[in-house]
Amino acid sequence: KNEVEQSPQNLTAQEGEFITINCSYSVGISALHWLQQHPGGGIVSLFMLSSGKKKHGRLIATINIQEKHSSLHITASHPRDSAVYICAVQPNTGNQFYFGTGTSLTVIP
Amino acid sequence: ETGVTQTPRHLVMGMTNKKSLKCEQHLGHNAMYWYKQSAKKPLELMFVYNFKEQTENNSVPSRFSPECPNSSHLFLHLHTLQPEDSALYLCASSQDSGTYLAKNIQYFGAGTRLSVL
Repeated sequence: KNEVEQSPQNLTAQEGEFITINCSYSVGISALHWLQQHPGGGIVSLFMLSSGKKKHGRLIATINIQEKHSSLHITASHPRDSAVYICAVQPNTGNQFYFGTGTSLTVIP
Repeated sequence: ETGVTQTPRHLVMGMTNKKSLKCEQHLGHNAMYWYKQSAKKPLELMFVYNFKEQTENNSVPSRFSPECPNSSHLFLHLHTLQPEDSALYLCASSQDSGTYLAKNIQYFGAGTRLSVL
């Protein structure tokens, strides 16, 4: 069983829709990261969270440490948001990162 | 552009070949990482280098051999690979590899798509 589970695995949305991607994890963590992987492979770090909520442009990330759950929201989605979104956690001990399998998002014009 | 450059972007090799993947970062970071990404699987950490010293080897087969000559460059030497080694190999760097520090936000390269025939 993977320490990090994401849902949904695949998501198709119409341009302008509000999108939510969920991440649940099973270990105690010091931080959680949301990453965006573009077609072709390159990965960009979107957020690092240890509590509460962060906002950057149309992207909002929240985390509930007690429930071991995080969500990534995209408001007014756009075709350029089409990518794979990956949740990763830093456990409290060790240097390992645990990664989810990713959510593949396609936004249709 | 993330400041982490990987070459080549694509590589096709036979099982008896020897090849190397290169990663270079221009961010002044001290930690560098190799990851393997196979289809439908989470990213797998392979190696971690901090200040040129290997700090993590995640039970990687010896047919993968990393080299870190300085904090800006990281290589992954490949020999006698198997078809199941075909994957996207990603390099990343961070200011530090310590668990509790915000400085270990990782910046990823675009990856090398490896096919082993």
